[in-house]
Amino acid sequence: DVKVTQSSRYLVKRTGEKVFLECVQDMDHENMFWYRQDPGLGLRLIYFSYDVKMKEKGDIPEGYSVSREKKERFSLILESASTNQTSMYLCASSLTDRGNIQYFGAGTRLSVL
Amino acid sequence: AQSVTQPDIHITVSEGASLELRCNYSYGATPYLFWYVQSPGQGLQLLLKYFSGDTLVQGIKGFEAEFKRSQSSFNLRKPSVHWSDAAEYFCAVVRGKLQFGAGTQVVVTP
Repeated sequence: DVKVTQSSRYLVKRTGEKVFLECVQDMDHENMFWYRQDPGLGLRLIYFSYDVKMKEKGDIPEGYSVSREKKERFSLILESASTNQTSMYLCASSLTDRGNIQYFGAGTRLSVL
Repeated sequence: AQSVTQPDIHITVSEGASLELRCNYSYGATPYLFWYVQSPGQGLQLLLKYFSGDTLVQGIKGFEAEFKRSQSSFNLRKPSVHWSDAAEYFCAVVRGKLQFGAGTQVVVTP
């Protein structure tokens, strides 16, 4: 079974803090993704990576950055957390094949106070 | 422009009744289409996918979906709903990258 693990299920942070969300996959997938999920908006892509040290902006990259130093790990960074970044964050990974089937972690629910 | 539309935000269905969730996409060519399910507090799990071929696709948990090119639709169905089917369901299409609909919340009543 594909396993995508997000390091925290729940996080509470203060406005202005630097926040790291970690994601690890164990299936040697080339591609990794970060989404945020908000009610009524579905999932929106923040950043993705198709190789180590490579990253591409998604639909809503503002206020976020990412790091991929190793193939299995993809980190999402909030440089200075704001209350409008309170959300559910989902990590996913996929192979580079047709269809781009993505496998998701359980999510991190982040509250910024 | 919205690529994937799920017209129903919320559906309530009785246990044992049939369920149909609607999904429409706007894309010139036939895209790759997916349905994912998210149980409370969980990540997304792939239910089924359509790439080409037979337009009726079988998935896990007794779900099926039918691709209709003429209607740009990929509706999800289940003949008899179980209480464990209460979840949020997302339709998605690959258009360059994976794009999701807003989701449909399914509530199952006894």
